[in-house]
Amino acid sequence: EADIYQTPRYLVIGTGKKITLECSQTMGHDKMYWYQQDPGMELHLIHYSYGVNSTEKGDLSSESTVSRIRTEHFPLTLESARPSHTSQYLCASKRGTEAFFGQGTRLTVV
Amino acid sequence: AQSVTQPDIHITVSEGASLELRCNYSYGATPYLFWYVQSPGQGLQLLLKYFSGDTLVQGIKGFEAEFKRSQSSFNLRKPSVHWSDAAEYFCAVGAQGGSEKLVFGKGTKLTVNP
Repeated sequence: EADIYQTPRYLVIGTGKKITLECSQTMGHDKMYWYQQDPGMELHLIHYSYGVNSTEKGDLSSESTVSRIRTEHFPLTLESARPSHTSQYLCASKRGTEAFFGQGTRLTVV
Repeated sequence: AQSVTQPDIHITVSEGASLELRCNYSYGATPYLFWYVQSPGQGLQLLLKYFSGDTLVQGIKGFEAEFKRSQSSFNLRKPSVHWSDAAEYFCAVGAQGGSEKLVFGKGTKLTVNP
């Protein structure tokens, strides 16, 4: 059973607010990822990390930022939320070739 | 660049009927291929994966998939669908090197009629 957790599961927030989506894994995986998922669309990679102090942008341009200060923790931050940020955000960690996903955070910006 | 196509956006089957979900991929080398399932409001759960060897792979929940290099396909099958199989199914190819990200198809939503 994968141990990767995302909080909150659901978030409704007003425009202009700063938010942080949390992602934690207890498996000691070095590689971690953030994907964005819109209804009827494929998941798009927005950020990834090879390990502590390593962060890279993914294929889909995103105004969010990430940090990786600890192996187990990979939070995603939006400094000023906008309605266009409304989406589902999925965090994953990877062992070898297998990725394990959290349950996602569904973000709505009003 | 890698890409995945799932031609069927939505499939409806009756409970007990057989199921096949189609997946075609584009990748220059031997791909790592995956099928994930996502129930409403949930994350993705790995059903099965193919790396090499036997082209017919078995997964959880009675699913199997067959890798056909000549057709660039990795179709998912189940001989008898249960109502609990209703969900969205994603095919993915794993990039080797670089970010080692997963490249996903747009998904196929499965509805199971009683």
